[in-house]
Amino acid sequence: EAQVTQNPRYLITVTGKKLTVTCSQNMNHEYMSWYRQDPGLGLRQIYYSMNVEVTDKGDVPEGYKVSRKEKRNFPLILESPSPNQTSLYFCASSQYTGELFFGEGSRLTVL
Amino acid sequence: KQEVTQIPAALSVPEGENLVLNCSFTDSAIYNLQWFRQDPGKGLTSLLLIQSSQREQTSGRLNASLDKSSGRSTLYIAASQPGDSATYLCAPDSNSGYALNFGKGTSLLVTP
Repeated sequence: EAQVTQNPRYLITVTGKKLTVTCSQNMNHEYMSWYRQDPGLGLRQIYYSMNVEVTDKGDVPEGYKVSRKEKRNFPLILESPSPNQTSLYFCASSQYTGELFFGEGSRLTVL
Repeated sequence: KQEVTQIPAALSVPEGENLVLNCSFTDSAIYNLQWFRQDPGKGLTSLLLIQSSQREQTSGRLNASLDKSSGRSTLYIAASQPGDSATYLCAPDSNSGYALNFGKGTSLLVTP
């Protein structure tokens, strides 16, 4: 089954404690991306990757890092989380200009 | 920067009605436009993708149109059902698949 898998789905952490949200897709897609969704602000792109070892900033990259060492994986790293990073995070993937597939989301709370 | 507006923000209709959701965007230089559905607490599911060279796409009871020059797209849902209740988002792509800009969505409730 074609899917984008994110882990963890739910996480409560404390300010400053490094965390990683993993994302994996099984469709051999070149393009992968991270979004955050906040009430009243909608979906905003954090980072995206056009292929292995190629990443670029989206609209709200501050406080986040990503890496793309393998085609299927695109982890999102919060080196020192802060409360303003409390949000619902989505990973997505697609072929070039194709349909975008989303993961189920990861709800992060930073205390 | 691409600005995307969806009207109405919320809509409640009785089952069986035909309805139209509107999406407008400020930058007409887009590669494609996608419509998504999001159920509460869930991820987004792509419903329809319209390439910039197309005028419309259809899937079952859904029909999406695109007018690039005027910066508008509409999603038409025929014979609505309670299972259609969800938030619908449109997303024009301004950068070859790398920069989808999402509207805030239309929250649809279809009552039995």
